[in-house]
Amino acid sequence: QSALTQPPSASGSPGQSVTISCTGTSSDIGDYNYVSWYQQHPGKAPKLMIYEVNKRPSGVPNRFSGSKSGNTASLTVSGLQAEDEADYYCSSYAGSALVFGGGTKMTVL
Amino acid sequence: EVQLVESGGGLVQPGGSLRLSCAASGFTFSSYSMNWVRQAPGKGLGWVSFISSSSNTIYYADSVKGRFTISRDNAKNSLYLQMNNLRAEDTAVYYCAKSRGSWGFDSWGQGTLVTVSS
Repeated sequence: QSALTQPPSASGSPGQSVTISCTGTSSDIGDYNYVSWYQQHPGKAPKLMIYEVNKRPSGVPNRFSGSKSGNTASLTVSGLQAEDEADYYCSSYAGSALVFGGGTKMTVL
Repeated sequence: EVQLVESGGGLVQPGGSLRLSCAASGFTFSSYSMNWVRQAPGKGLGWVSFISSSSNTIYYADSVKGRFTISRDNAKNSLYLQMNNLRAEDTAVYYCAKSRGSWGFDSWGQGTLVTVSS
């Protein structure tokens, strides 16, 4: 049950697109299409942004999109807005367990 | 509106025990799998345990296996986490989270803080 690897930080100016990567192994991301992404603002509970690699729950703006290639998943935020500044976590089913990434702090410049 | 409210956190000495509860409302609790997820102060998210809707399937993270026990009471719309032999590294905010059926957690409680310290 090793953690997925995310960059510690990412940034972009308002209106730009930013992509966060999440690297796992053939035992988690590479083997299952159960990758999720969460947004967490300081002092708040996480919020589901993407599930099953690229699906958005109702209410999540279509500026948020997900994808996967091999053992790496990605979250892209297009048209960056000030309220997108938050921590982002990926997760993947890993066969009888779930693993999270270490988190990426997104800064809107 | 889905609501998940955790309780039972607090200060406990190393080696001690604590039982967390999560009261659910606003959805058919008995139809959904549930999870516990924790977050150490200033750190990232860590999955703790999963329980299926009928309690038939239960999983634990390696770090808590043999020490923590997840359970649920569908008649009371409640989820529990019995934590024994607590260690300093178990100090965290513990969240209960509802599964949407594909290991995505679409509703979270506000969390309850567990502090393990002498």
